[in-house]
Amino acid sequence: KAGVTQTPRYLIKTRGQQVTLSCSPISGHRSVSWYQQTPGQGLQFLFEYFSETQRNKGNFPGRFSGRQFSNSRSEMNVSTLELGDSALYLCASSAPDIGDEQYFGPGTRLTVT
Amino acid sequence: GIQVEQSPPDLILQEGANSTLRCNFSDSVNNLQWFHQNPWGQLINLFYIPSGTKQNGRLSATTVATERYSLLYISSSQTTDSGVYFCAVVDRGAGSYQLTFGKGTKLSVIP
Repeated sequence: KAGVTQTPRYLIKTRGQQVTLSCSPISGHRSVSWYQQTPGQGLQFLFEYFSETQRNKGNFPGRFSGRQFSNSRSEMNVSTLELGDSALYLCASSAPDIGDEQYFGPGTRLTVT
Repeated sequence: GIQVEQSPPDLILQEGANSTLRCNFSDSVNNLQWFHQNPWGQLINLFYIPSGTKQNGRLSATTVATERYSLLYISSSQTTDSGVYFCAVVDRGAGSYQLTFGKGTKLSVIP
């Protein structure tokens, strides 16, 4: 099976712009989670989607949003980018009906200038 | 929320040496995973081990759920083992499969 894929892999944006990141889970996985990794805060949970419904959301401002499509692919959007949004954004998928082991994609490295 | 602590934060080893990385967690968990983050940032699954012991080549892991800790053993370390090792747990009380990560152990294996 193909692994979790994320696009784009690298992105440079300007403060105030918005950005959309995409994640395609492993085939058959219906749960997709997003994480932000920064040197200062480490790996932090953003949100989780299961069958197109957001099940949980981390402690991030409303500028961070996401959605999941019927094919389980997910997107996350960050509006009004700030310098502090520069980070590695990781997506993970799992199949909760089988087990809850999570598998991560290669990440999208976002730089905000 | 659940707290995860990893130790040591940094570890420098000579190639061929053995090491033990520790992960303590503050509450009962339903899932515990160990990951190795490669130089490009991807988290590579090492073990899914909510309890018991597992082995995979030179790596093994043990989780003692009742005492709220997990250990990752690396034997005969190689330079390719360098990187950051993360422990992460799932707190089902959060109502989802949210992983809470420790801050990681940065391992450097020198030839």
